[in-house]
Amino acid sequence: QTVLTQPSSLSASPGASASLTCTLRSGINVGTYNIYWYQQKSGSPPQYLLTYNSDSDKHQGSGVPSRFSGSKDASANAGILLISGLQSEDEADYYCMIWHSDTWVFGGGTKLTVL
Amino acid sequence: EVQLLESGGGLVQTGGSLRLSCVGSGFSFSISSLSWVRQTPGKGLEWISMISGGGEWTKYADSVKGRFTTSRDNSKNTLYLQMNSLRTEDTAIYYCAEEEHWGQGTLVTVSS
Repeated sequence: QTVLTQPSSLSASPGASASLTCTLRSGINVGTYNIYWYQQKSGSPPQYLLTYNSDSDKHQGSGVPSRFSGSKDASANAGILLISGLQSEDEADYYCMIWHSDTWVFGGGTKLTVL
Repeated sequence: EVQLLESGGGLVQTGGSLRLSCVGSGFSFSISSLSWVRQTPGKGLEWISMISGGGEWTKYADSVKGRFTTSRDNSKNTLYLQMNSLRTEDTAIYYCAEEEHWGQGTLVTVSS
């Protein structure tokens, strides 16, 4: 069973907000993991956005705008990347990652379209 | 500025070998755990290996265990990935990375 599940695609309008989810497999509690988020634009390597564990334990990547933020939904066992004030330049693939069993595990990625 | 620069990719036949290198700068290389992550063109990210800062331990994904070996030379700020018994399914862009910084990647193409 897949450890991290992300919706394959999401569309949103410029200026709106987008909520990207990263659902952890049943039996793996989101509360015990730091959730890492990366953005990858076409033809470029992934770029680190942020890490979120809790509101008191989070880290924003250098130069990453504050309109990118993280959270968790314990009821859904999911990490969330919220992008507010969407801009055309936010169109990209977004990946979540956790450290699990001393390895990195990535979600399958969400392709965000801004239109 | 943190930089990671991979090299060594190329075209190789199935069953062949290749060694990738990754030179790091702008951070404390010798105390940083580093990973290799690959991405098949148009597909997602797959973590394949990690090594501790001092090289004391390494970990591998099942897909490469026994075929790939990760090592490092901290005197040269360089990370290596020795890839043996290559398969067509190993064709991918290979990135070296620590959590917040990734290299530009190097393309490995395995042809039958």
